[in-house]
Amino acid sequence: GNSVTQMEGPVTLSEEAFLTINCTYTATGYPSLFWYVQYPGEGLQLLLKATKADDKGSNKGFEATYRKETTSFHLEKGSVQVSDSAVYFCALSLRSFQKLVFGTGTRLLVSP
Amino acid sequence: KAGVTQTPRYLIKTRGQQVTLSCSPISGHRSVSWYQQTPGQGLQFLFEYFSETQRNKGNFPGRFSGRQFSNSRSEMNVSTLELGDSALYLCASSLEGLADSYNEQFFGPGTRLTVL
Repeated sequence: GNSVTQMEGPVTLSEEAFLTINCTYTATGYPSLFWYVQYPGEGLQLLLKATKADDKGSNKGFEATYRKETTSFHLEKGSVQVSDSAVYFCALSLRSFQKLVFGTGTRLLVSP
Repeated sequence: KAGVTQTPRYLIKTRGQQVTLSCSPISGHRSVSWYQQTPGQGLQFLFEYFSETQRNKGNFPGRFSGRQFSNSRSEMNVSTLELGDSALYLCASSLEGLADSYNEQFFGPGTRLTVL
């Protein structure tokens, strides 16, 4: 079946540290890949996306590259801020209408 | 443009009762999807509606149902509530929802359902 695996959290970093959150996927076909972010008490916001192999999604200093050979879509940011503290979800869609398959989420805690 | 709105934001019910949750998509969006979020199971797809038709359904029992109205607003219903139905229910809308293409989904803030 189709699935997404994310690294366990929480990830605890100091402000300005480098962030990597690992994400790998299993899918039949060629999925689109996404990172969503959820702030406390809120719904999900799309952070970035990539729709084909070697695409790089980027937004607000976050980046992720669609690696077909390693079936990965790791999230990175060069310098995190306290305001980045949230739960990050990796997800895929096989364009089966609008169904998203999510990973379990990784909580990021950034301290000043 | 207003975002996706969900009502109510919080709900407390007892086992055996039924509940109806409402979702108003972004104006012009015709596809509405529902997801259940729990600490144990994470985010799971419930169903998706487009033009008042259910096009896709996740692996949930028949107690979970939904519908979409002609104005694209959607409701989901859970009958005979169980303790395990306690969750955050998220609604997402997208513009067209065409098959074999992806249209960005915009999520609402969710309805927090607690079953006692």
